[in-house]
Amino acid sequence: DGGITQSPKYLFRKEGQNVTLSCEQNLNHDAMYWYRQDPGQGLRLIYYSQIVNDFQKGDIAEGYSVSREKKESFPLTVTSAQKNPTAFYLCASSLGTGGNTEAFFGQGTRLTVV
Amino acid sequence: ILNVEQSPQSLHVQEGDSTNFTCSFPSSNFYALHWYRWETAKSPEALFVMTLNGDEKKKGRISATLNTKEGYSYLYIKGSQPEDSATYLCAFMNSGYSTLTFGKGTMLLVSP
Repeated sequence: DGGITQSPKYLFRKEGQNVTLSCEQNLNHDAMYWYRQDPGQGLRLIYYSQIVNDFQKGDIAEGYSVSREKKESFPLTVTSAQKNPTAFYLCASSLGTGGNTEAFFGQGTRLTVV
Repeated sequence: ILNVEQSPQSLHVQEGDSTNFTCSFPSSNFYALHWYRWETAKSPEALFVMTLNGDEKKKGRISATLNTKEGYSYLYIKGSQPEDSATYLCAFMNSGYSTLTFGKGTMLLVSP
């Protein structure tokens, strides 16, 4: 059945290492998004992509990178430059970036950097 | 960065109680308002997408209203059930942006 798959569910990394979070969707959606959630905060946008081979920075892009080589895939790399990487990361997709279409979310990846 | 406020932050009600939450957003350049339900250990799921001032939408016991001129939306749950326990998120888009800005959510706990 259709949906968004994030993997892994839990991820542990040592400080200073880059780590890549996977996000795959089979909904044929053009737009994909990465959000970060911290305790007491709303979902904050890291990066988004409206179409293959194109992406834009969100509100908190520093220390992160993304790629969009395929329509169904939008991996997020948390680099060593991200000062506080421990967080819960959510991937989402929508038909387009128009606000009249709902977003579909994955189940998230909890990243812990030690 | 746009500011979206949700209140209350959390709510604890008894089964059968009706309840409502508020989402406040900038009233200028409105484009869309979304409501999502996020149950523990699951993905957020869309409840409503609202684009017109005065919109009222309903899904079962849950309904929402929208006032774009004053910048608020209400979410109502009639006769709350334990399975309604979740965090309810609202998200706002204005015409100058192509992405949603989320509030911090209202956490609802319904006791049997």
